Amino acid sequence: DIQVTQSPASLSAFVGDRVTITCRASQSISTSLNWYQQKPGKAPKLLIYAASSLQSGVPSRFSGGGSATDFTLTIRSLQPEDFATYYCQQSFSTPFTFGPGTKVDFK
Amino acid sequence: QEQLVQSGAEVKQPGASVKVSCKASGYTFTTYDINWVRQATGQGLEWLGWMSPNSANTGYVQKFQDRVTITRDTSMSTAFLELSSLRSEDTAVYYCAREYCVTGSCFLDLWGQGTLVTVSP
Repeated sequence: DIQVTQSPASLSAFVGDRVTITCRASQSISTSLNWYQQKPGKAPKLLIYAASSLQSGVPSRFSGGGSATDFTLTIRSLQPEDFATYYCQQSFSTPFTFGPGTKVDFK
Repeated sequence: QEQLVQSGAEVKQPGASVKVSCKASGYTFTTYDINWVRQATGQGLEWLGWMSPNSANTGYVQKFQDRVTITRDTSMSTAFLELSSLRSEDTAVYYCAREYCVTGSCFLDLWGQGTLVTVSP
């Protein structure tokens, strides 16, 4: 199975900050990497698919990059509604493993 | 609009089985695979398995291979997750999600609201 790690596990930031979260796969997964946002008590929401494609309706301040084993999710200017937990997921091969998550909260 | 609506919360005793349903509407149910994901309280997301509603083909995480079964009823546009031999560690919110694929990339673009399964004596 492909293992997926994320860093940091949590971060504190101000509104307006630029935030970057990193995801690493245990083997090359090309660009088969997705990012989700989850708020407490809610289902996850797809933000980015295929490493860098923005899901319809997602604000353009979110962007993704990377390939092979190393990927990033960047939030250009953090907004109050962006405080949440973010998960990456590889969809290169089953099982479609998720990273452990990164919690973004107020500084 | 497109949505997945799951069945309500369940409380089960250890050793019992639970069956969670996921009803699709607003799109053609047989076109996209359904994935199941669970989340224990305060924990991360754990992918459990998938099913093709068209062929009924399935795939499961190895650790659940002998306890989980994903089925569907195409006449009801509904997918089901059944987990047997429940233990306290199975207490979690269970989500179904639609797997959408485009130019070789697949992702979970539509999620159910989640079903809380509590395993307690």
